[in-house]
Amino acid sequence: KAGVTQTPRYLIKTRGQQVTLSCSPISGHRSVSWYQQTPGQGLQFLFEYFSETQRNKGNFPGRFSGRQFSNSRSEMNVSTLELGDSALYLCASRPDTGTSVDEQYFGPGTRLTVT
Amino acid sequence: LAKTTQPISMDSYEGQEVNITCSHNNIATNDYITWYQQFPSQGPRFIIQGYKTKVTNEVASLFIPADRKSSTLSLPRVSLSDTAVYYCLVGAIGGFKTIFGAGTRLFVKA
Repeated sequence: KAGVTQTPRYLIKTRGQQVTLSCSPISGHRSVSWYQQTPGQGLQFLFEYFSETQRNKGNFPGRFSGRQFSNSRSEMNVSTLELGDSALYLCASRPDTGTSVDEQYFGPGTRLTVT
Repeated sequence: LAKTTQPISMDSYEGQEVNITCSHNNIATNDYITWYQQFPSQGPRFIIQGYKTKVTNEVASLFIPADRKSSTLSLPRVSLSDTAVYYCLVGAIGGFKTIFGAGTRLFVKA
């Protein structure tokens, strides 16, 4: 099975712009989550989508939004970019709930730099 | 979600066994303990998961005492490539583990 893929891998944007990141989960996985990782704050949960519905949300401002499509692919959008949004954005997918081992499969991440 | 506490960093030498302990005093009855490994500029990778006693796979062992208030990840005979950050998470199966914490930075020396 192919792993979780994220596009683009690297991105440079200017403050005030908006950006959309894409994530394709492992085939058959319906849950997709997004994380932001920075040296100062570590790995922070943004939100989780399951069957096109946002199921969990972290403590981020409304500038951060996401969605999931019927094929489970997910996009994350950040509007009005700030310098502090520079980070590695990670996407993770996992199988449906009810499995005996509840592991998340992470993609390689998108490195966003805001200048 | 139960809060976890781990050492910030650890050093070891190649060939040694490394034990990383995680404290989770408020673990709930239906919570499992999961460990992830992360290399720089990569996403975390699942290592092992357990509920109680001992779990072993080809990569590591996880020891969980009867009171489940802590757990120990054991990496046998580490190599330089085991240098990474190790995260301990606690949460219910089918629930969602959203808090990774700071993790433990393991540095393996030659």
